[in-house]
Amino acid sequence: KAGVTQTPRYLIKTRGQQVTLSCSPISGHRSVSWYQQTPGQGLQFLFEYFSETQRNKGNFPGRFSGRQFSNSRSEMNVSTLELGDSALYLCASSLETALGAFFGQGTRLTVV
Amino acid sequence: KQEVTQIPAALSVPEGENLVLNCSFTDSAIYNLQWFRQDPGKGLTSLLLIQSSQREQTSGRLNASLDKSSGRSTLYIAASQPGDSANYLCAVTGFQKLVFGTGTRLLVSP
Repeated sequence: KAGVTQTPRYLIKTRGQQVTLSCSPISGHRSVSWYQQTPGQGLQFLFEYFSETQRNKGNFPGRFSGRQFSNSRSEMNVSTLELGDSALYLCASSLETALGAFFGQGTRLTVV
Repeated sequence: KQEVTQIPAALSVPEGENLVLNCSFTDSAIYNLQWFRQDPGKGLTSLLLIQSSQREQTSGRLNASLDKSSGRSTLYIAASQPGDSANYLCAVTGFQKLVFGTGTRLLVSP
């Protein structure tokens, strides 16, 4: 079956712009979570959605937001981009928490 | 607050060696522990998942153990190959989120 699909794979944006990233989970998975990966901070949790509800949120400013649709696809949005938002953004889907997470290939965001 | 540490940060070995990667965590209240590998610029590939009630899991040349009481996990790689070169990450699952270690960068030389 198809894995987790993230689009686009690469993005270049200018400071102050906003960006929307998309994630399609594995079929049947209703939990989608987002992570930011940078060389300095490693992998950090952004938020998790289950059946269109945000269940958990990491320690990121309000410029980072997300949503989940009825088909479990998820989007995350970053407004007023800063240079420090340059990172690899990873999406993971799960059937149940105890059964593990499966990751997409990520979206590489570069802010210039 | 859960903290995950991986030792060593980097490891370089010749092909054929058996090796052990270590992961420790501070809070034993976890659902599971996963080991991932990440190739440069790519996403995470799940290698092994150990649920909190289990002690170990095996897949091919990989074996992972979990000792919740001591907050430790090890990933054993047998007969290493150049294709095993990657960054290896362990992550523990808490309340609807994974907490990752900083990774062990493995280089296996031919």
